[in-house]
Amino acid sequence: DTGVSQNPRHKITKRGQNVTFRCDPISEHNRLYWYRQTLGQGPEFLTYFQNEAQLEKSRLLSDRFSAERPKGSFSTLEIQRTEQGDSAMYLCASLPTGALNYGYTFGSGTRLTVV
Amino acid sequence: AQTVTQSQPEMSVQEAETVTLSCTYDTSENNYYLFWYKQPPSRQMILVIRQEAYKQQNATENRFSVNFQKAAKSFSLKISDSQLGDTAMYFCAFPYNYGQNFVFGPGTRLSVLP
Repeated sequence: DTGVSQNPRHKITKRGQNVTFRCDPISEHNRLYWYRQTLGQGPEFLTYFQNEAQLEKSRLLSDRFSAERPKGSFSTLEIQRTEQGDSAMYLCASLPTGALNYGYTFGSGTRLTVV
Repeated sequence: AQTVTQSQPEMSVQEAETVTLSCTYDTSENNYYLFWYKQPPSRQMILVIRQEAYKQQNATENRFSVNFQKAAKSFSLKISDSQLGDTAMYFCAFPYNYGQNFVFGPGTRLSVLP
């Protein structure tokens, strides 16, 4: 297991287009998190899954955003009708249930640029 | 509401010297952990050190140590014998929402100068 994997690493899209990102967590980690990080800022929580169940969504997750984790394995984050304000690094993290106090394992992120 | 403040947007330190990054936070929870994460340029975020709030002893990991002042809600990171590889963004963070998510500070950009 090589850790948390995110694809693609970079995505440039035109405003109004839809984009989808993928995260493959560490295989035994049943919790998966999505964060957004804008330039020069700390990560902001978007949503998280316990297995296949999406347990919480942030107010930042507008109705243009949707996340799924079918079968409790990989997860996808889709942004519809992208806007320039969506430009950011999208980070995925995972950990076993009950292990939040040991900290996340992060992926390398997907950097989205909306032009 | 839980908040994290890092009042130093940027810092620099000469190689081999010591630097301290500050962090203050606010929480209504009693039992919690605090973390420092490091994000090197164009690389993934990794955990540097963590502190259990109910422990009075400050955590240490090799060249990294913390100064945890629970009453003051202060959690600073000291890096001794700074190395060029320490150049990175450093984020202070702690779990909230009964341990469901993390809240991160805005970060401190540390540059280690040769």
